[in-house]
Amino acid sequence: EPEVTQTPSHQVTQMGQEVILRCVPISNHLYFYWYRQILGQKVEFLVSFYNNEISEKSEIFDDQFSVERPDGSNFTLKIRSTKLEDSAMYFCASPSPGGAVKGGDEQFFGPGTRLTVL
Amino acid sequence: GEDVEQSLFLSVREGDSSVINCTYTDSSSTYLYWYKQEPGAGLQLLTYIFSNMDMKQDQRLTVLLNKKDKHLSLRIADTQTGDSAIYFCAEDGGATNKLIFGTGTLLAVQP
Repeated sequence: EPEVTQTPSHQVTQMGQEVILRCVPISNHLYFYWYRQILGQKVEFLVSFYNNEISEKSEIFDDQFSVERPDGSNFTLKIRSTKLEDSAMYFCASPSPGGAVKGGDEQFFGPGTRLTVL
Repeated sequence: GEDVEQSLFLSVREGDSSVINCTYTDSSSTYLYWYKQEPGAGLQLLTYIFSNMDMKQDQRLTVLLNKKDKHLSLRIADTQTGDSAIYFCAEDGGATNKLIFGTGTLLAVQP
């Protein structure tokens, strides 16, 4: 079964530091997404990425956030200057192979990175 | 705006049926989904339903959709202890079919 991997599984950082969360999506996928889940809350959409550019982003995804696909396989989420409220689980996801996003495509989620900002 | 609501907690006995409910606001969604999240794990798609259907059955799972009332439910027949998890409903929305998740329902199955 296809698998999305994420590293690290847990990241602890000091407030104000930069963090980079990494995702290796399923190969041949063209759409990528980042979501976050603050502890005990629902999963929230952050950003979608297609053809090496942001295609949609939420209000949460402010100037402190950026996404990149540096080498054709990894997909990264960078937070430039972390705040306490950035502590959450961060999930990346990609839909079924083929590139076209259509309803009913399973979005395959990675296991998540737990970010703790102290 | 888009908003998806669920009840927070459901407790059932092993072998009984569970029904988890969800209400949503975006009538333009094409598909609605149910995801399962076990402790410390990612999100696993259980099933989905096309918005012009009113029912879908998939083994022990039955999804009912009332589009007029914007109400979605997931029925799990013969609930097992392994079904204990948080269940999220979600709708797709926007140009990129991002998922909008509900608040999640914690299902506790008592042996």
